[in-house]
Amino acid sequence: GESVGLHLPTLSVQEGDNSIINCAYSNSASDYFIWYKQESGKGPQFIIDIRSNMDKRQGQRVTVLLNKTVKHLSLQIAATQPGDSAVYFCAENMDTGRRALTFGSGTRLQVQP
Amino acid sequence: EAGVTQSPTHLIKTRGQQATLRCSPISGHTSVYWYQQALGLGLQFLLWYDEGEERNRGNFPPRFSGRQFPNYSSELNVNALELEDSALYLCASRPRTSSETQYFGPGTRLLVL
Repeated sequence: GESVGLHLPTLSVQEGDNSIINCAYSNSASDYFIWYKQESGKGPQFIIDIRSNMDKRQGQRVTVLLNKTVKHLSLQIAATQPGDSAVYFCAENMDTGRRALTFGSGTRLQVQP
Repeated sequence: EAGVTQSPTHLIKTRGQQATLRCSPISGHTSVYWYQQALGLGLQFLLWYDEGEERNRGNFPPRFSGRQFPNYSSELNVNALELEDSALYLCASRPRTSSETQYFGPGTRLLVL
């Protein structure tokens, strides 16, 4: 069935390094993707989104890359800071009629000082 | 501008009881989504309300139900609670526009004993 999954459950990086969090999706009809950050005890926080007609989108210190050929999504965080430590979820909207997001299982990012 | 709010923050119930969780969306948002996040897992779509109507539901039994009020706030009701219903219940809202971006509240942590 359709699914959104993550390659690495835990990613540990040094403060100041760049982080790359990966996500695979299986539904080629998905037209919208979004990354959320969830800190302990809090709800998911919107980071950045991208539509399927784009392959790259940049925000403040974050970049999302979309490779539709291999159905792969990645989140790049530049100059990772301790405050970036959290669980990161990718999500796709693969059913525009339902307009609900399908979430991956999440990747925990640990930033080492 | 206030974000999505949820109440209560924590709720403890015993098996067989009923739980009622509440959500107030961001002002101007008409759609409300409910998700269940079991410990260590991703978000599972529960229900979507828009303009007071249930638009779609996820793969959950009928004892999970809810409603949306004229002011767009929403309630999630869980009847005949089971131990495996223990989870973080997240509410998200989305504006009336075609944007798919959902904004999450802090969640209600439900513990069933």
